[in-house]
Amino acid sequence: GQQLNQSPQSMFIQEGEDVSMNCTSSSIFNTWLWYKQDPGEGPVLLIALYKAGELTSNGRLTAQFGITRKDSFLNISASIPSDVGIYFCAGREGSGNTGKLIFGQGTTLQVKP
Amino acid sequence: GAVVSQHPSWVICKSGTSVKIECRSLDFQATTMFWYRQFPKQSLMLMATSNEGSKATYEQGVEKDKFLINHASLTLSTLTVTSAHPEDSSFYICSAHRGLIYGYTFGSGTRLTVV
Repeated sequence: GQQLNQSPQSMFIQEGEDVSMNCTSSSIFNTWLWYKQDPGEGPVLLIALYKAGELTSNGRLTAQFGITRKDSFLNISASIPSDVGIYFCAGREGSGNTGKLIFGQGTTLQVKP
Repeated sequence: GAVVSQHPSWVICKSGTSVKIECRSLDFQATTMFWYRQFPKQSLMLMATSNEGSKATYEQGVEKDKFLINHASLTLSTLTVTSAHPEDSSFYICSAHRGLIYGYTFGSGTRLTVV
């Protein structure tokens, strides 16, 4: 099956710094999603991308859907302590509305106040 | 907004017993729900896709007779772990799909510990 390569695996940064993480795939996805997961909780959607080349922002978060449809990145600007958590990218398989999601391995973010 | 309620949030059971986990979409109807398993420090692995009124589609390597999925209504899907063993201990998460615009909403997960 399809696999997503997410990097970096972990980051430890100072509060106020910007963060960048990305996902690549050997196959094409029609939708890219970015989620944040806090310990003991389910993932929460941050940004959804539906078109190749699309650049979308949500507050301090910005994500882009790669032109080739095989990659996506997420940027977090001016990080704050509550940004701590695990960030997952996910690609949606298939052309229908309810294709299953394939998740990246996750990026663990730690922010030092 | 779309809310998915998952219950229980944690459960401890004895080896050999069965455990049922419920996933409810509270304010929308979900024709498709997904069940994931997540081991510590790992990603979410899709176990099965559940469609209302039909049999679930299981991913390769997931035993359908061990992980029973029922999607009897548009707002409820259940996962039953039968004859649980310690290696089944994991974090189980459901997700409900609400159409292209609203996408996928995840439950808060169930921590299963088999002793």
